[in-house]
Amino acid sequence: AQSVTQPDIHITVSEGASLELRCNYSYGATPYLFWYVQSPGQGLQLLLKYFSGDTLVQGIKGFEAEFKRSQSSFNLRKPSVHWSDAAEYFCAVGPSTDSWGKFQFGAGTQVVVTP
Amino acid sequence: SQTIHQWPATLVQPVGSPLSLECTVEGTSNPNLYWYRQAAGRGLQLLFYSVGIGQISSEVPQNLSASRPQDRQFILSSKKLLLSDSGFYLCAWSYGSGNQPQHFGDGTRLSIL
Repeated sequence: AQSVTQPDIHITVSEGASLELRCNYSYGATPYLFWYVQSPGQGLQLLLKYFSGDTLVQGIKGFEAEFKRSQSSFNLRKPSVHWSDAAEYFCAVGPSTDSWGKFQFGAGTQVVVTP
Repeated sequence: SQTIHQWPATLVQPVGSPLSLECTVEGTSNPNLYWYRQAAGRGLQLLFYSVGIGQISSEVPQNLSASRPQDRQFILSSKKLLLSDSGFYLCAWSYGSGNQPQHFGDGTRLSIL
């Protein structure tokens, strides 16, 4: 069965500094990978997705992610964070091998941005 | 464009009372529909998903049930709420092809007293 690990529960970063959030997956075939962001009390918003092709994927809000098959990773990056990037970030992999359309979500990484 | 509506946004219910949360999707047909629960400080737990009218798959045995009476309507219910049912409930939809991203509603904050 597939799984997703986000090793960092909590990250604190200064405004203007770079940010990298880690995501490792276990999947028996070529995965479909996603990053979502959740602001407090809100639903999840899709930042970017990877299906195939170029392993560097550009998303909204200045985020990008790189798929590395050899490392089973799909890390999210932003060169310069803004205070509005403070949120929780979730990595997801799909579809499930036992049911089309099911995703596996990571436990999330909480990002705090300091002045 | 597609939109997803979830209501109510906030709900406070006593233990033992019934529950009905509703989710509707506009602008698409035959979507996959999902109910998730997010406990405080924890990730997403998939509760139910549906690939068509009347087709419900349950992921976790519990006090809740789901129904899909219409193509773009997904309802989460309970006959008697427990304290452990408190949490943030999220509805989501995706295209039915299986490799498409899920799109989330704004969630319902459920507090059980």
